[in-house]
Amino acid sequence: GENVEQHPSTLSVQEGDSAVIKCTYSDSASNYFPWYKQELGKRPQLIIDIRSNVGEKKDQRIAVTLNKTAKHFSLHITETQPEDSAVYFCAASRGGGSEKLVFGKGMKLTVNP
Amino acid sequence: KAGVTQTPRYLIKTRGQQVTLSCSPISGHRSVSWYQQTPGQGLQFLFEYFSETQRNKGNFPGRFSGRQFSNSRSEMNVSTLELGDSALYLCASSHDSGANVLTFGAGSRLTVL
Repeated sequence: GENVEQHPSTLSVQEGDSAVIKCTYSDSASNYFPWYKQELGKRPQLIIDIRSNVGEKKDQRIAVTLNKTAKHFSLHITETQPEDSAVYFCAASRGGGSEKLVFGKGMKLTVNP
Repeated sequence: KAGVTQTPRYLIKTRGQQVTLSCSPISGHRSVSWYQQTPGQGLQFLFEYFSETQRNKGNFPGRFSGRQFSNSRSEMNVSTLELGDSALYLCASSHDSGANVLTFGAGSRLTVL
């Protein structure tokens, strides 16, 4: 089955810096790659997703890139702010309602003011 | 509209007992997935229900079970609790429109003593 690896497990940056979180997946049939953000004590929330027919997607300060050949995808956060501090989870799925979403183990991002 | 509602939010059990957790999905969502979240292990998939049928199952022992009712509400049950079952159990619903866009509940935090 699908296996999603996420690294690094923790990252600390200064406010205003950029942060990059990388994930790899094992199932070449996966075609849906969402990212979830979980703030301390709160539920995971979808922040951005990408499908395999797109190489990059941006939404304000966040962007996601996908390399299907290498089977990896990354989340880029620019101009980080203290409120970006959270645990970020990547996930992969074959898409379609009947396919389960497999998550990485998460990365704790700390943005120091 | 109301989000995903999980009850109870917190509970404490002792080893050997059983527990039932409940999840009410967003109105109109027919798919309900359950995840176990523990520190360092991320979100581990338990199972997914759609139209009262278990559609996907993760790699958990048979002590973990679930069901879904005709109104899409779902329950999960853990029998013969072990200390290692202490975790945050998250439920997520999706519309099942061809994408795995999950909306999570706040979770049920189970402590096993």
